[in-house]
Order: sequence, then C-alpha cells, then structure tokens
Amino acid sequence: AQSVTQLGSHVSVSEGALVLLRCNYSSSVPPYLFWYVQYPNQGLQLLLKYTTGATLVKGINGFEAEFKKSETSFHLTKPSAHMSDAAEYFCAVAPGPGFQKLVFGTGTRLLVSP
Amino acid sequence: AAGVIQSPRHLIKEKRETATLKCYPIPRHDTVYWYQQGPGQDPQFLISFYEKMQSDKGSIPDRFSAQQFSDYHSELNMSSLELGDSALYFCASKDPSSYNEQFFGPGTRLTVL
Repeated sequence: AQSVTQLGSHVSVSEGALVLLRCNYSSSVPPYLFWYVQYPNQGLQLLLKYTTGATLVKGINGFEAEFKKSETSFHLTKPSAHMSDAAEYFCAVAPGPGFQKLVFGTGTRLLVSP
Repeated sequence: AAGVIQSPRHLIKEKRETATLKCYPIPRHDTVYWYQQGPGQDPQFLISFYEKMQSDKGSIPDRFSAQQFSDYHSELNMSSLELGDSALYFCASKDPSSYNEQFFGPGTRLTVL
C-alpha cells in the first residue's frame, strides 16, 4: 500500500524567500510521485512529477523537487516565493505506471507575506 | 488545449435527494477517476474506469454508482444524499501513454442541505 505524509499543514514565507514543502512517502514498489497545486475554489493543477530517470525534476512556475529513495522523500522547493504562489499543495503517490489511483497527502497551505 | 470538463460546477440538493455528476475527459483519454474532497481535506479516491470497465474502487459509498460510456464520458450517480456528502468532486482523466499523469477537472461543488 502507498501513503504520503506532508509535514506542516501550513507554511509561511516572505516574498522572495525560499519555499520548502516536505513530502515523505511509503510504497512497497517503486513509486511515481506528483505535486499538485490547488488555488481556492479551483481544481488540481500538476506542478511536476517523478516517474523514472533523473531524480531532480523541474516543474512549472519555478518549482522543483528531488526524489530521494534513501530518505523516501520528495520535497518541493522554489528559490524565491511570489505572492501568487499562495495556495494549497498536495503531494501524491501512485504505485508505478498504469491506471492506479493517486494517494494524496493531507496538503500544505503556503502563505506568502509581502 | 482541451481540458477535463465537469458539469455542473455547482449543485445544491436536499437530504435524501439524488444527484448526477458528469465528467468529459480529455479527447483520447481512456481512463477516468473520481475523487471526493471534503472541506479542508485531501482528495480521496472513489472509483475509476478504464475502457468503460471499472478498474478500481475506493471508499465509495454503496449509495453511489458510476459508469463510463462509449464516448468515454463518465457519470457519478449519488442517491439518498446525506449532509456529509457535501464536498468537491473531482474527475481526472489519463491517456494510454502517460505515466499515470492524471489531469483534473475543475470539480463539482455539491452542497447538501
């Protein structure tokens, strides 16, 4: 079975500061990992994904994440926060390719102050 | 680019009524997933369909049923609605060649009064 733990339900940063959102996963098979962003009253938008290959993946809006198998982590980072980054971020895991469901973490709300 | 379409976007029902949510996947996507997101919660998987057959089932109540039609659109039917069914219902679709990358629709917000 797969599971995801997101540390910190809320993360506050100042505009221009580093953003770090933590995600640890549990999977009995090599996982596929995803980060989604959700703006208020909107759907889920894919930020980036790790499937196979390079462990550092770059996504949209300047975000990137690194898959660390030894630490079972897939933390999301952005060097400089922008006010428009304020949203809810969900880490999700799927047990490899195919049509398996995504298992989501509980989400982290990113707050960006001027 | 075409996206996943869900209708209606908002729905208000009374307890014990029925509701039907519709999902139109991205063209050529053959897999559809339904998720339920309660207030302040993470999305929870309900059910999925691949090539019009149910492929997986999650925490979907017996009061709910779903199907995928020949044009790949899907409908989630909810009966005997309860207050706790109030949530955002997402549909996602996947194309046959992707690494399980699911594209989400904007969701249907169901409010049960």
